[in-house]
Amino acid sequence: ETGVTQSPTHLIKTRGQQVTLRCSSQSGHNTVSWYQQALGQGPQFIFQYYREEENGRGNFPPRFSGLQFPNYSSELNVNALELDDSALYLCASSARDLNTEAFFGQGTRLTVV
Amino acid sequence: AQRVTQPEKLLSVFKGAPVELKCNYSYSGSPELFWYVQYSRQRLQLLLRHISRESIKGFTADLNKGETSFHLKKPFAQEEDSAMYYCALSRPNTGNQFYFGTGTSLTVIP
Repeated sequence: ETGVTQSPTHLIKTRGQQVTLRCSSQSGHNTVSWYQQALGQGPQFIFQYYREEENGRGNFPPRFSGLQFPNYSSELNVNALELDDSALYLCASSARDLNTEAFFGQGTRLTVV
Repeated sequence: AQRVTQPEKLLSVFKGAPVELKCNYSYSGSPELFWYVQYSRQRLQLLLRHISRESIKGFTADLNKGETSFHLKKPFAQEEDSAMYYCALSRPNTGNQFYFGTGTSLTVIP
């Protein structure tokens, strides 16, 4: 067991609503990255948080935002949900300073209807 | 910009046969390359990274900068190798910010 946990596991939202996904990083890890995985695709990098600051962002609009807390857990917030936001959302934690392996959570399946 | 291409979505081989999963990348600098694997009902996990030059579960991958490739190879496939395999690139010093390919689903036929 890697220790990275995500909640909830499944979620259904209506177009236009807002959603918050949560990720608890592995003990000792100070870096959390978020990915969106659409059906049949590889994970796409959304952004990374390192020591509570955003530290790199992929090609996602500003309505995708995040937070990292002092205990290094993290949230992904998506505003004004669109149907195309339906996907599996993955988080991965690592210790950037130590260049450790990244461990992934099991994902949150978001369905927008 | 960086891009990872895995040309085969599906690959089937017989048990005991050699297997090669192809990965090509485009990036102007010197990237870090990885292979991640996802077994049925399990989470994504690291299989190997090019900087460690390890052989994990009999798999190896060599970074070919001339051909911008990082193909994954195993001389004798086993049934337990059936899984989804993702090649990923990370730019240097970005702390595991991965750019993934679309993945190859490997089936090893008994």
